[in-house]
Amino acid sequence: GAGVSQSPSNKVTEKGKDVELRCDPISGHTALYWYRQRLGQGLEFLIYFQGNSAPDKSGLPSDRFSAERTGESVSTLTIQRTQQEDSAVYLCASSPGQPSNQPQHFGDGTRLSIL
Amino acid sequence: AQKVTQAQTEISVVEKEDVTLDCVYETRDTTYYLFWYKQPPSGELVFLIRRNSFDEQNEISGRYSWNFQKSTSSFNFTITASQVVDSAVYFCALIYNNAGNMLTFGGGTRLMVKP
Repeated sequence: GAGVSQSPSNKVTEKGKDVELRCDPISGHTALYWYRQRLGQGLEFLIYFQGNSAPDKSGLPSDRFSAERTGESVSTLTIQRTQQEDSAVYLCASSPGQPSNQPQHFGDGTRLSIL
Repeated sequence: AQKVTQAQTEISVVEKEDVTLDCVYETRDTTYYLFWYKQPPSGELVFLIRRNSFDEQNEISGRYSWNFQKSTSSFNFTITASQVVDSAVYFCALIYNNAGNMLTFGGGTRLMVKP
């Protein structure tokens, strides 16, 4: 498939555990984004990677959230000491990067449920 | 402040009716880009259209049309002769010049088309 791939598709975990979510962008896309979508709401920006530049972390809600990306490939979003309010669908998107207004292509998301 | 407002949280129509989804945005930037995305029940976000702030021409694509009016800061979306397959949540979103590339989303409008 040529689309953005996310895994796992569903994750259920106990409060306090750490979780790792994975995103595999479209090949050749230099820009990668993470968003969070709470039930019945719009998407909230979390973090943005562009090539080898320092990521824009301005949307991360707390220091329990972090993300990494190696080069222009896979990214992982890590949530430490999960809380119930972290329950949401986490969506990853990628785009060609330049120009900056290119449409972002989304994966199917990871549905995270914190018990 | 940069903001996207979709005042209609839910709309229900009968098949073949026309329906307009409203989107109002706020930004201080003179250069910005507006988007519509569709999120069907399966969950994936599908890109529909992009508009830049310098292009106020309306656009038609099949049964879909978009009306961009800078004077009222609106970017409305009309579906003509709606079909059951149009049932989805529709999101309006904004990229503004000084925000990097992240999308600012409205809260979404859930459209239900009944047979």
